[in-house]
Amino acid sequence: DQQVKQNSPSLSVQEGRISILNCDYTNSMFDYFLWYKKYPAEGPTFLISISSIKDKNEDGRFTVFLNKSAKHLSLHIVPSQPGDSAVYFCAATPTGTASKLTFGTGTRLQVTL
Amino acid sequence: GAVVSQHPSRVICKSGTSVKIECRSLDFQATTMFWYRQFPKQSLMLMATSNEGSKATYEQGVEKDKFLINHASLTLSTLTVTSAHPEDSSFYICSARGWGQGQETQYFGPGTRLLVL
Repeated sequence: DQQVKQNSPSLSVQEGRISILNCDYTNSMFDYFLWYKKYPAEGPTFLISISSIKDKNEDGRFTVFLNKSAKHLSLHIVPSQPGDSAVYFCAATPTGTASKLTFGTGTRLQVTL
Repeated sequence: GAVVSQHPSRVICKSGTSVKIECRSLDFQATTMFWYRQFPKQSLMLMATSNEGSKATYEQGVEKDKFLINHASLTLSTLTVTSAHPEDSSFYICSARGWGQGQETQYFGPGTRLLVL
């Protein structure tokens, strides 16, 4: 039972454009969400998080939007850069803290020149 | 951000042997560390939560006698895969809870690739 879903396994975006990565969840108890970036054979790198009391959090080029009623969150990267090419995972937890994370299956982003 | 290291980065062992993987938080104290495994083209699956000075909490379906976790200090957690078999071959990643950019997160190590022959 996949409680956190990333339905797009891959995404290709031109440099300078906006990248939008989507994530859906089924567990209504999830109240803290995180996005990670991962390169092959490396551990994930934290990008940004959002608490369920917010609907938007912004950090530089990265913005995460949370729609609790739809159980949906998205990560916007603007402008996209070639160095953003990686696999992006969303993760969720019901604890309100960064523990017991449930990860999505990931979306591979390729930013082209 | 905080740095978490893992050692070894890669290990090949014979079936039936035990393998120990170390996870260290280099520049902060971590009372809680986590162990994950990732199969090819799949997501990270939480195996257990490692608490300093107490027993680890294992997720459902993870054999605690097979995957021994020790968190003896605030900067070190170890995962020992006992009597490893080929199906244990995977990418094992540890993490530690911390704060970064004003947000609570987990900092991940670089992972350990285990291959059991």
